[in-house]
Amino acid sequence: QVHLEQSGAEVKKPGASVKVSCQASGYNFVSYGITWVRQAPGHGLEWLGWISPYNGNTNYAQKVLGRVTMTTEKSTNTAYMDLGSLTSDDTAVYYCARGNSMIRGGDSYYYIDVWGKGTTVTVSS
Amino acid sequence: DIQMTQSPSSLAASVGDRITITCRPSQAIGTYLNWYQLIPGKAPKLLIFAASNLHTGVPSRFSGSGSGTDFTLTISSLQPEDFATYSCQQSYNYPWTFGPGTKVAIK
Repeated sequence: QVHLEQSGAEVKKPGASVKVSCQASGYNFVSYGITWVRQAPGHGLEWLGWISPYNGNTNYAQKVLGRVTMTTEKSTNTAYMDLGSLTSDDTAVYYCARGNSMIRGGDSYYYIDVWGKGTTVTVSS
Repeated sequence: DIQMTQSPSSLAASVGDRITITCRPSQAIGTYLNWYQLIPGKAPKLLIFAASNLHTGVPSRFSGSGSGTDFTLTISSLQPEDFATYSCQQSYNYPWTFGPGTKVAIK
């Protein structure tokens, strides 16, 4: 079945970078976008960006623009999210997720249909 | 960015109850609205996409409705496994934004 396996928890110091991986299985990796979302303690979900494994196109949230890089490796069906210049505000559970869409009446309705279990990133001195 | 609000922020209910959660975006978004179930330690789960379409495998007690700036998620008869947080999300434009969540607790 469709599954997204994420890398393990990370503890980083302020100013450092973190790279979270997300290995997909059970579907054609290049046919669906990968979205990254995080949830900080006591907060709601926050969209960080999206990457197309097919052509590498990306779309990043303004809040992390310049600090985030999303990449994919087709040979291993793996997506990566690299976030730099970490601060305590980046402490959160980071999720990778598969984007899907429904076409109706000529419009495309996008949604996230499969999520990884999340990677906890703690930023602390 | 489109701001998403949800009400109530939390509620307490009993097994078998019917509950309704409301989601209101800060601008009209057609039916570009999705609902997710969040349980700590578990992967979030898609329930409803495009406002009213039940995702594969989701029990029929879940339903969604609405358009524009007013959406609802209804659970017709709460089951023990439904005690969780529910979040709406708009995919009308980027950046995608989520509601703050509604926590459904056991009364």
